[in-house]
Amino acid sequence: DQQVKQNSPSLSVQEGRISILNCDYTNSMFDYFLWYKKYPAEGPTFLISISSIKDKNEDGRFTVFLNKSAKHLSLHIVPSQPGDSAVYFCAAYEVNFGNEKLTFGTGTRLTIIP
Amino acid sequence: GAGVSQSPSNKVTEKGKDVELRCDPISGHTALYWYRQSLGQGLEFLIYFQGNSAPDKSGLPSDRFSAERTGGSVSTLTIQRTQQEDSAVYLCASRTSGGGGTDTQYFGPGTRLTVL
Repeated sequence: DQQVKQNSPSLSVQEGRISILNCDYTNSMFDYFLWYKKYPAEGPTFLISISSIKDKNEDGRFTVFLNKSAKHLSLHIVPSQPGDSAVYFCAAYEVNFGNEKLTFGTGTRLTIIP
Repeated sequence: GAGVSQSPSNKVTEKGKDVELRCDPISGHTALYWYRQSLGQGLEFLIYFQGNSAPDKSGLPSDRFSAERTGGSVSTLTIQRTQQEDSAVYLCASRTSGGGGTDTQYFGPGTRLTVL
């Protein structure tokens, strides 16, 4: 049962344009949502997060939007740069009986075309 | 300061052998997590430690998998009688405290396990 889904395994975007990565979830108890970026042979690194009580969080070129009614969030990167080429994981955080857990999606490979 | 480190970076083993994977979290981080990423899959949660105790072992795929953490620091993930489906990248992450989703997890580079 995949609670966090990234339905697009890959995405190619021209340099300078907007990249939009999507994520859907099924568990309405998630408290926070996070995006991680992963380069080959490295561990994921935290990019940006959003609380379940917000609908938008912006940090420089990165903005995350949350639509709770649709159980959908998206990451916008604008303008896209070649260094943004990586795999992006959406993750959802919950505390369940005192246990903290991050549930990850399967990732979207973003390729920025120079 | 040093980040999360994992060893070995690569491990090739024969089916049926036992393996041990090590994680050194960031100093002072009380929470430690193990994940694995199989080919073409997302990050699969395995186990979570708060200090030395493991309140959530729900992600361990079978009783061949076990993990321990001593001294609230280093953790070892052990896989007994390895199978080919155990081949994956095993990632360790740590974070500072036990509360709040804004305390981000910091990941190590992973151990790539290949079972022949």
